[in-house]
Amino acid sequence: GAVVSQHPSRVICKSGTSVKIECRSLDFQATTMFWYRQFPKQSLMLMATSNEGSKATYEQGVEKDKFLINHASLTLSTLTVTSAHPEDSSFYICSAVLAQGADGELFFGEGSRLTVL
Amino acid sequence: QQQVKQSPQSLIVQKGGISIINCAYENTAFDYFPWYQQFPGKGPALLIAIRPDVSEKKEGRFTISFNKSAKQFSLHIMDSQPGDSATYFCAATISGGYQKVTFGTGTKLQVIP
Repeated sequence: GAVVSQHPSRVICKSGTSVKIECRSLDFQATTMFWYRQFPKQSLMLMATSNEGSKATYEQGVEKDKFLINHASLTLSTLTVTSAHPEDSSFYICSAVLAQGADGELFFGEGSRLTVL
Repeated sequence: QQQVKQSPQSLIVQKGGISIINCAYENTAFDYFPWYQQFPGKGPALLIAIRPDVSEKKEGRFTISFNKSAKQFSLHIMDSQPGDSATYFCAATISGGYQKVTFGTGTKLQVIP
C-alpha cells in the first residue's frame, strides 16, 4: 500500500518553543492531507484539512495561529506547533488521500509524539 | 463532526475465540465504513471496509456485518490471535471529493493465550 512518512517520530521541547512535524507521501501525490491529534486511550480528533497550494481548513476549536499547517507540495505537509506548552503534548498523526474521489482510503503516518516540558 | 458510537471500550478474548466490536452511526449520508487497526505508538492502518450496499464483507479472519436500516455495523475477528491485540477504530465517511473521516471511540482488544 501507499506509504506516508512522518518525522520526527518523537520530539521533546521546552515550553515556549516551536516544533515542526513533517508528513510526506513517499510514493504518491496527495492533494489533500489531514492532521489529527490523539490523546492517550482516546480516538483521533481531526484538527485540520491541508490542501496543496491553499490555506488549511481548521476544525472548530482548533487555533489556526497555534497550529500552523503548510502544504507546499503534493508530497509534503507540515504542522508547526507554535509557542508550545505542556497541554500541547500529544500524539499527532497525519494522513493522506491517495486520489480525489477515491473510496475513502486514507493512509496514515506513524505518528509523532510531542512532549512539551 | 458527526458521531460514530463504538462498543465495547475494551475486550478480552481467549486465543481462538471470536472478537466482536460494534458501531452505530447517525448520519445517513455516510457511505463508506472502514475499520482501522492501531498498535501502540503507531498510526492507524486500514483493516477492512464496506459500503452500505453490501450486508457483509469478509477478508481472511476479518468480517464486517452491515445493517443499513439499523445504522449499525460490526467487526468480527475469527480465530483471534495474540497478534490481533491492538486498538480498533470503526469509522464513517462520505466518499467523493476529499474524505473527512469520523472515527469511533476505539476498542482495545487483548487476546490472551
